[in-house]
Amino acid sequence: DQQVKQNSPSLSVQEGRISILNCDYTNSMFDYFLWYKKYPAEGPTFLISISSIKDKNEDGRFTVFLNKSAKHLSLHIVPSQPGDSAVYFCAASAGDTGNQFYFGTGTSLTVIP
Amino acid sequence: GAVVSQHPSWVICKSGTSVKIECRSLDFQATTMFWYRQFPKQSLMLMATSNEGSKATYEQGVEKDKFLINHASLTLSTLTVTSAHPEDSSFYICSARDQTAGHFHEQYFGPGTRLTVT
Repeated sequence: DQQVKQNSPSLSVQEGRISILNCDYTNSMFDYFLWYKKYPAEGPTFLISISSIKDKNEDGRFTVFLNKSAKHLSLHIVPSQPGDSAVYFCAASAGDTGNQFYFGTGTSLTVIP
Repeated sequence: GAVVSQHPSWVICKSGTSVKIECRSLDFQATTMFWYRQFPKQSLMLMATSNEGSKATYEQGVEKDKFLINHASLTLSTLTVTSAHPEDSSFYICSARDQTAGHFHEQYFGPGTRLTVT
């Protein structure tokens, strides 16, 4: 049972434009959400996170939005750069320990120069 | 940021043999490490949580006798795939949590190990 879903397996965006990656979850107990970036044959690298007490977190070109009522979060990248081309995973955890992270299936972003 | 290494990065073994994969946190101590498995174009699936000094906690459906985990120190966890079969071929990734305050929720991932069983 996939508790975190990324329904778009791929996304292409022109350089300089905004990239919007979406993620939906089903477990209302999730209280911490993260985005990871992954290149082929490499481990994921942490990008940005958000706690459920917030609805927005911004770090440079990356902004994550959380809509708890809709159980939806999104990652905005603006302006998009060719180096942003990678697979992006969203992940969620529940509780203070955050022991288990549930990952989405990933969205492959291609930024076209 | 924190660095996690894995060794080997790629291994080919014959069916029936065992393979050990090491995961090390290089510049921080990790009482908890995690082992994931990723099939092509699929999500990262948590296999087990490795706790220093105690037994690992396995996720439902993961055979603990087949995937042996040992967390011998605060910087090293090992995953041994015993009696490997071709269906065990996959990309195995470890992660470690930096216990430093302010980083509690973040996991730092190793580069992964590609296992091919022939």
